[in-house]
Amino acid sequence: KQEVTQIPAALSVPEGENLVLNCSFTDSAIYNLQWFRQDPGKGLTSLLLIQSSQREQTSGRLNASLDKSSGRSTLYIAASQPGDSATYLCAVRRYFGNEKLTFGTGTRLTIIP
Amino acid sequence: NAGVTQTPKFQVLKTGQSMTLQCAQDMNHEYMSWYRQDPGMGLRLIHYSVGAGITDQGEVPNGYNVSRSTTEDFPLRLLSAAPSQTSVYFCASSYSMTGRGVGYTFGSGTRLTVV
Repeated sequence: KQEVTQIPAALSVPEGENLVLNCSFTDSAIYNLQWFRQDPGKGLTSLLLIQSSQREQTSGRLNASLDKSSGRSTLYIAASQPGDSATYLCAVRRYFGNEKLTFGTGTRLTIIP
Repeated sequence: NAGVTQTPKFQVLKTGQSMTLQCAQDMNHEYMSWYRQDPGMGLRLIHYSVGAGITDQGEVPNGYNVSRSTTEDFPLRLLSAAPSQTSVYFCASSYSMTGRGVGYTFGSGTRLTVV
């Protein structure tokens, strides 16, 4: 059974710092991995999607990497801003079988002005 | 382009009542899913559909029914609401894995309280 872990559960950093959020998964047979952000009381906004054949994806100040063999992905946020404060979730999608995203429980990020 | 639209945004039910959570997408996505989000447990899959007329159970299907008569709509029915179904419900959609390989798009959620 696929398990996805995100550590730490919460993180506070001063504005302007670069930071890394971690996501690990137990079964490397994935189709893709998707990073989302969730603001309090809101839905999920997709940030980046990495296919299993890719090593990284970039969007603006965000860079996500994938190391399938070791079961790890990182989300790098450059020059953090207070508006980046949110919960960040990673989710993996299987190759076949049930059409299911397996989510981690998220990292709650607070950027201190 | 509205994406994934969920209604209602908030709902309070009494134990034993039934209701339908609506989900519609306008992106011609084949796959649609329902998740529930509970504190400390992350998002868990309730039911999913790989196309019109095809549905299947996820991790936590008990107490819920779905149907998919059109590509656009995927309603979730609570048959007899219980306090354990108090949660935030998200609908999501995606192209098929053998298609364009893009990720899931989520709706803004329905916050359900069962008293």
